[in-house]
Amino acid sequence: GESVGLHLPTLSVQEGDNSIINCAYSNSASDYFIWYKQESGKGPQFIIDIRSNMDKRQGQRVTVLLNKTVKHLSLQIAATQPGDSAVYFCASGEANQAGTALIFGKGTTLSVSS
Amino acid sequence: DAGVIQSPRHEVTEMGQEVTLRCKPISGHDYLFWYRQTMMRGLELLIYFNNNVPIDDSGMPEDRFSAKMPNASFSTLKIQPSEPRDSAVYFCASRPGLPNTGELFFGEGSRLTVL
Repeated sequence: GESVGLHLPTLSVQEGDNSIINCAYSNSASDYFIWYKQESGKGPQFIIDIRSNMDKRQGQRVTVLLNKTVKHLSLQIAATQPGDSAVYFCASGEANQAGTALIFGKGTTLSVSS
Repeated sequence: DAGVIQSPRHEVTEMGQEVTLRCKPISGHDYLFWYRQTMMRGLELLIYFNNNVPIDDSGMPEDRFSAKMPNASFSTLKIQPSEPRDSAVYFCASRPGLPNTGELFFGEGSRLTVL
């Protein structure tokens, strides 16, 4: 069945380092991908998205890379800060299908030490 | 904009009791989703509605679970009878209709503990 998964459940980095969080998806029909950040005790919050007609998209300190050939995407966080400590989820969906829902991976816990 | 509002934030109940979780989506959003989050299974989609109509409830674990959306501003997720394995954080999320930007707006969640 359809699944979205992350390669590593935890990632520990030093403040100022760059972080890379990886994700794989299985559904070839997925054409829309989102990264969410979830802080303790809160709901997931949108970080950045990318559509399948792109292979890279940049935001503020974050970059998402998409490799459709191997069904892999990654989230890169530049100059990681303690406030970036959270659980990060990737999710996939079909943007042109209004009646579909996002499928989430299990999440990677990012710990930033100062 | 108050965002998606869920209640209660925390619920502790005993096995066999009925649990009702509530959600108020963002005004104007056509879609409403219920997700369940556990350490073992992550975020699982339970059910979602479009314009108050249930579209896909294949994620609802058992007949003990039911969800309703009587109007555009309110939805409930009910568990009757509750069991310890239902303990989880239940999230409600909403989003506008087409164009589907895909972004879901989540509430703060309802943490359910069934003893």
